[in-house]
Amino acid sequence: NAGVTQTPKFRILKIGQSMTLQCAQDMNHNYMYWYRQDPGMGLKLIYYSVGAGITDKGEVPNGYNVSRSTTEDFPLRLELAAPSQTSVYFCASSSRTGHYEQYFGPGTRLTVT
Amino acid sequence: SQKIEQNSEALNIQEGKTATLTCNYTNYSPAYLQWYRQDPGRGPVFLLLIRENEKEKRKERLKVTFDTTLKQSLFHITASQPADSATYLCALLNTGGFKTIFGAGTRLFVKA
Repeated sequence: NAGVTQTPKFRILKIGQSMTLQCAQDMNHNYMYWYRQDPGMGLKLIYYSVGAGITDKGEVPNGYNVSRSTTEDFPLRLELAAPSQTSVYFCASSSRTGHYEQYFGPGTRLTVT
Repeated sequence: SQKIEQNSEALNIQEGKTATLTCNYTNYSPAYLQWYRQDPGRGPVFLLLIRENEKEKRKERLKVTFDTTLKQSLFHITASQPADSATYLCALLNTGGFKTIFGAGTRLFVKA
């Protein structure tokens, strides 16, 4: 199993551009999450999903959108990128039976200039 | 607002000693407390979970305590090794919830 995969690994965006961060998991997990991690700060939850077609806001959802059309994929969309969105983004997943244990992807380092 | 505090200063210890990391929280009553390990440039890896009705949990060289009165958890690594060098994150979660709250982590350096 590949676990949780994220693409791209790195990206530089200009202010106002848009992009989609991809996340996929092959563990048949029901629950998926997007976090951002800023230097010296804890992970902040952006959005999460409890199943295909069901998403909900986390702590810092402004400026982002998500969709969950399949169990495997959970893309994160940034519209009109701003410097404040410069961060490392992590996708995670967990199972229905052990949903407290989250499996994280390797992260996407995004810089907005 | 809910807050988790972990020692922002790095912890330096000698190989073979016990490392003890602290996690304090306020304005929250978590049902679960978790510890994750994060290596530079990588995603966190789950280590241990302890429930609010548990005082202590062990897994190999790891031990976690959870004091809901003090609102504190201690994370111990016994017989520490240089390979234990990493950042350790504390995380809190409510029953049935999905909104895990993470601390900023404490960086541990184990010297050979």
